Amino acid sequence: KAGVTQTPRYLIKTRGQQVTLSCSPISGHRSVSWYQQTPGQGLQFLFEYFSETQRNKGNFPGRFSGRQFSNSRSEMNVSTLELGDSALYLCASSSSALNTEAFFGQGTRLTVV
Amino acid sequence: GENVEQHPSTLSVQEGDSAVIKCTYSDSASNYFPWYKQELGKRPQLIIDIRSNVGEKKDQRIAVTLNKTAKHFSLHITETQPEDSAVYFCAASEAGGSYIPTFGRGTSLIVHP
Repeated sequence: KAGVTQTPRYLIKTRGQQVTLSCSPISGHRSVSWYQQTPGQGLQFLFEYFSETQRNKGNFPGRFSGRQFSNSRSEMNVSTLELGDSALYLCASSSSALNTEAFFGQGTRLTVV
Repeated sequence: GENVEQHPSTLSVQEGDSAVIKCTYSDSASNYFPWYKQELGKRPQLIIDIRSNVGEKKDQRIAVTLNKTAKHFSLHITETQPEDSAVYFCAASEAGGSYIPTFGRGTSLIVHP
């Protein structure tokens, strides 16, 4: 079956702009999580959506938001971009069962200039 | 919330040697401990996981050990090969609360031929 798909793969934005990233989970997976990956900081959890509801949230400012649609596809939005938002943004999908494998997408590389 | 510490941040070994990566966690309620491998430019992928009712698990050249009393778990790779070169992330997942895994900061493993 198809894996987790993220679009776009690369993005260059200017400070102050906003950006929307998209994630299509594996068919049948209802949980979608978003992570920010920067060198030396590992995988920082942003938020998780399950059945169109934000179920968990990490410690990121309100400029970072997301949503999930009825087909489980998820979008992440970052407003008023800052240089420090430059990172690889990964989404992961998993089944509804607890403590199961998270399947990651290839990520979106965001560069803020 | 959960806090996962991972060491070392960089590990350099000769081909054929063993490599050990160690992680500690803070929440005694955590009961699922996956390990992910991320090759350069690729997505993180699960390589092995262990649950708290098991002390050790092996899969060919890789093994994971868990000490729940001390709240630490380790990844062991034997007979390392150049294709083992990657960043490895450990994670811990809470049983009673959010099951979103908390990741360590990663270990960059370099295997020299």
